[in-house]
Amino acid sequence: GDSVTQMEGPVTLSEEACLTINCTYTATGYPSLFWYVQYPGEGLQLLLKATKADDKGSNKGFEATYRKETTSFHLEKGSVQVSDSAVYFCALRDDYKLSFGAGTTVTVRA
Amino acid sequence: GAGVSQTPSNKVTEKGKYVELRCDPISGHTALYWYRQSLGQGPEFLIYFQGTGAADDSGLPNDRFFAVRPEGSVSTLKIQRTERGDSAVYLCASSPLAGELYEQFFGPGTRLTVL
Repeated sequence: GDSVTQMEGPVTLSEEACLTINCTYTATGYPSLFWYVQYPGEGLQLLLKATKADDKGSNKGFEATYRKETTSFHLEKGSVQVSDSAVYFCALRDDYKLSFGAGTTVTVRA
Repeated sequence: GAGVSQTPSNKVTEKGKYVELRCDPISGHTALYWYRQSLGQGPEFLIYFQGTGAADDSGLPNDRFFAVRPEGSVSTLKIQRTERGDSAVYLCASSPLAGELYEQFFGPGTRLTVL
């Protein structure tokens, strides 16, 4: 079945550092791809998405590009802030069902 | 407007007991989903409702788990004869309709601990 593998954490960075979280997927079709974020004490929120190959999703300074040839959807941000500290989940969606990776905990130090 | 709400936020129970977890979706959303997030893992799909009916319950782990949505709004996830392995955060999400075009909005979850 469909599955997502993402970089294990935890990841600890200093403010203004670059962040990359790797995500690869396995799917029989052409799913939509997502990054969700879970801030401390809050529920899951959609961060960005891409629905077809070569699409780039972006939001809050984060970007990810849907790469069909490498079955990847890596999350990147050029300069992180303390407020970016959260758990990040890569996910794919086949019709209505979301399949998530295990999550990557990111801590940004001032 | 109000988001998805879930009650209780925390539930502690003893092995063998019965529990009910409630989800109030966003008003007007016809699709409702339950996911389970075990410690250190991402959420896993349990069941999906379109209106009052369960359109896909393939993720329910066994027959101790059951969910209902009798009026097409509030949903209740029911777990019989709880086991320690059922301890997890149970997440509910809703969307206006099912399918690729519609974002799923998640509630804050119910943390279930089975002692």
